[in-house]
Amino acid sequence: KNEVEQSPQNLTAQEGEFITINCSYSVGISALHWLQQHPGGGIVSLFMLSSGKKKHGRLIATINIQEKHSSLHITASHPRDSAVYICAVSMSVFSNTGNQFYFGTGTSLTVIP
Amino acid sequence: DGGITQSPKYLFRKEGQNVTLSCEQNLNHDAMYWYRQDPGQGLRLIYYSQIVNDFQKGDIAEGYSVSREKKESFPLTVTSAQKNPTAFYLCASSQGQLNTGELFFGEGSRLTVL
Repeated sequence: KNEVEQSPQNLTAQEGEFITINCSYSVGISALHWLQQHPGGGIVSLFMLSSGKKKHGRLIATINIQEKHSSLHITASHPRDSAVYICAVSMSVFSNTGNQFYFGTGTSLTVIP
Repeated sequence: DGGITQSPKYLFRKEGQNVTLSCEQNLNHDAMYWYRQDPGQGLRLIYYSQIVNDFQKGDIAEGYSVSREKKESFPLTVTSAQKNPTAFYLCASSQGQLNTGELFFGEGSRLTVL
């Protein structure tokens, strides 16, 4: 069982559509991260949040601590938004190997012009 | 600009050879990490370091080794003992105490064993 589950795994949208990617987690966390992985493989941090909501441009991230759930929204989607979006959590209690971050398997988004 | 530089981007290795992946950061971050990414799986932690001259095994450390002689550098050696080394490797760093900071990643290194 994965500590972090994302849905959907794959998503295809028309340019301009509103997109939602969901993340659920099962461990106690100190923060949740949304990451974007480009086709070349590099990863960029989009958001780090521990409560409420954050907004950068067309991207909005929300988190509900009680329900252990977060969503990433993209408004007015564009082909340049095509990437893999990864949810990760910073755990409040480390694993026995000292691991502090758990990662989802990612959502592959393709936005068609 | 500050960031993390990984090299090489692509690497081919024959079975039985050790290879070293470079990771350099100029963000002045204390914590550095090596992750392995395989298709359909989340990133898995290989090794991490909180401070110079100290590092700890992660969840999948067998067949790998690291060093942290300088704050900026955290190279990863994939040894011949690693049974399935073909993968995409990502180096990351964060500021301050472990797990309290934003994660910064390099562009990754793709290792293929021939």
